[in-house]
Amino acid sequence: AQSVSQHNHHVILSEAASLELGCNYSYGGTVNLFWYVQYPGQHLQLLLKYFSGDPLVKGIKGFEAEFIKSKFSFNLRKPSVQWSDTAEYFCAVNPHAGGFKTIFGAGTRLFVKA
Amino acid sequence: DVKVTQSSRYLVKRTGEKVFLECVQDMDHENMFWYRQDPGLGLRLIYFSYDVKMKEKGDIPEGYSVSREKKERFSLILESASTNQTSMYLCASTEIPGLAGLTTDTQYFGPGTRLTVL
Repeated sequence: AQSVSQHNHHVILSEAASLELGCNYSYGGTVNLFWYVQYPGQHLQLLLKYFSGDPLVKGIKGFEAEFIKSKFSFNLRKPSVQWSDTAEYFCAVNPHAGGFKTIFGAGTRLFVKA
Repeated sequence: DVKVTQSSRYLVKRTGEKVFLECVQDMDHENMFWYRQDPGLGLRLIYFSYDVKMKEKGDIPEGYSVSREKKERFSLILESASTNQTSMYLCASTEIPGLAGLTTDTQYFGPGTRLTVL
């Protein structure tokens, strides 16, 4: 079945550690790609997105993601995490063939120790 | 800033009750969505609407219906609530990206309604 896979469900890091959250999808063809974040008690909000162009995209709060078409991946990175990055992160894919539908991964809960 | 509001943050209902969840957005977005969010399953699409009175089933529409009589308002209806519908329900709205045809741009989410069915 077509899907979006996030490899880690729970990640625990110390402050200043580097972060990489994996995301793979199984849709062929053109896709729009997103990372959303949900901080404790807050709305789900956009972290960054990729539609076309430079496969390395930068988002808010120092996050970036790299689209590797050959690997069907869109991994999220941050060189040095902060306690305030504690949140749940969702990868999402909108296959153009699917019209308006966006498929979300199961989410990764990140806990950053101060 | 785009604002998406949902009628209730917390709701407790009994099995068999009819439940209405309402969502309002203030940015004149064409598309609106209802998701349910469950631990370990991420967000799953229940229904979406791309215009007034237009709707399409998502991945898990069974047991739900929707209504969109005005562009800014999108309602989710549980005709006869069941315990397996206990969940967090999220509403979202989005513009259609101008250059990418019928695809989806950034979704703006409401705060969610945590529904418990007893």
